[in-house]
Amino acid sequence: DMKVTQMPRYLIKRMGENVLLECGQDMSHETMYWYRQDPGLGLQLIYISYDVDSNSEGDIPKGYRVSRKKREHFSLILDSAKTNQTSVYFCASSLSIWGDTLYFGAGTRLSVL
Amino acid sequence: GEQVEQRPPHLSVREGDSAVITCTYTDPNSYYFFWYKQEPGASLQLLMKVFSSTEINEGQGFTVLLNKKDKRLSLNLTAAHPGDSAAYFCAVGNTGYQNFYFGKGTSLTVIP
Repeated sequence: DMKVTQMPRYLIKRMGENVLLECGQDMSHETMYWYRQDPGLGLQLIYISYDVDSNSEGDIPKGYRVSRKKREHFSLILDSAKTNQTSVYFCASSLSIWGDTLYFGAGTRLSVL
Repeated sequence: GEQVEQRPPHLSVREGDSAVITCTYTDPNSYYFFWYKQEPGASLQLLMKVFSSTEINEGQGFTVLLNKKDKRLSLNLTAAHPGDSAAYFCAVGNTGYQNFYFGKGTSLTVIP
């Protein structure tokens, strides 16, 4: 079954706390992505991962870091979360970076108070 | 980098009417085009993937048109029904990019 799974679905954190968002895929896709979605702004790419330990900054990487130690798993880490990082975060995967369809997870709604 | 503009941001139509959503992009080398549908509280689901070589693509209840000369991609829902109420996003990609650029989305409401 082709699936991208995100955990948790909802998260409330206080400013300054660390945040870990997890994403898994069962399709052996090479490429994985983290996006954030804010009202009126569409989806903005935070990080892209081409494979294990091969990550690249997207358009808005500041304040985030990622980890990919297994092909099927991609984590987004917020060290000392800020209130402006309140958003919905989507993980996605694709077979490769060459125009393949993105499969999205259900999203994580993060509130930083 | 690529700039993608999506219009309109909000669209309300009556059941049975057509609805048109348009994206314009800036990079003439863009090659991959996608439309995604996002129902409230849900994730993005692929509606259609279009390659630069095909100008007209038809799905179930909708047509996607690609005008490369004008750098315009449109989604035309024919005979909209309430189940089409959702947010729609276009995405544009290029073989030289390591990213897809998304439009800001269109919130479509179909009134019964």
